[in-house]
Amino acid sequence: EPEVTQTPSHQVTQMGQEVILRCVPISNHLYFYWYRQILGQKVEFLVSFYNNEISEKSEIFDDQFSVERPDGSNFTLKIRSTKLEDSAMYFCASSEQRARTGELFFGEGSRLTVL
Amino acid sequence: GENVEQHPSTLSVQEGDSAVIKCTYSDSASNYFPWYKQELGKRPQLIIDIRSNVGEKKDQRIAVTLNKTAKHFSLHITETQPEDSAVYFCAANAGGTSYGKLTFGQGTILTVHP
Repeated sequence: EPEVTQTPSHQVTQMGQEVILRCVPISNHLYFYWYRQILGQKVEFLVSFYNNEISEKSEIFDDQFSVERPDGSNFTLKIRSTKLEDSAMYFCASSEQRARTGELFFGEGSRLTVL
Repeated sequence: GENVEQHPSTLSVQEGDSAVIKCTYSDSASNYFPWYKQELGKRPQLIIDIRSNVGEKKDQRIAVTLNKTAKHFSLHITETQPEDSAVYFCAANAGGTSYGKLTFGQGTILTVHP
């Protein structure tokens, strides 16, 4: 069964450093998303991406964050200057074109720890 | 924006009992309501979803009901098993032209005792 894959599984970084989290969505999916989950809390929407541009973003997704689809397979989330409160599990997700309100397939997540 | 409230925050049942988790949402434009199961340290996995054109959907031991008028939906698990123990999240989409933006509830920690 196709899966969304994410790397790294865990990254530890110093405050102020740049971090790039990588995702490979399911190959025939056209909608891509980043969500995050602070430990013990609910999953929160960050951004959606379609047709090489951001479709929607939350208030969490400020100027420190950016997303990119540098090639036909990868989808990345960059945090320019990490803060302590960026520590969380970051989930990439994708969905099929037809599923406007359809199933999101989540990756296993990348745990970011900012010291 | 959408606000999703989920209750209870924890639920403990004996194996074989039923479990019910309830959610309310605020955006009347929402038309898609998935439920996710998340085991410790794992990804959220979709277990069942319902769209606004139906009031109930069932898949083996799991069922979801939706009351659009009251803006609430519920997850029902019958004949619970220890492997059902996990955190369960309800979610609602943003409706309209929004694609895949889900607002999640706070989660319910379900513990099924053997």
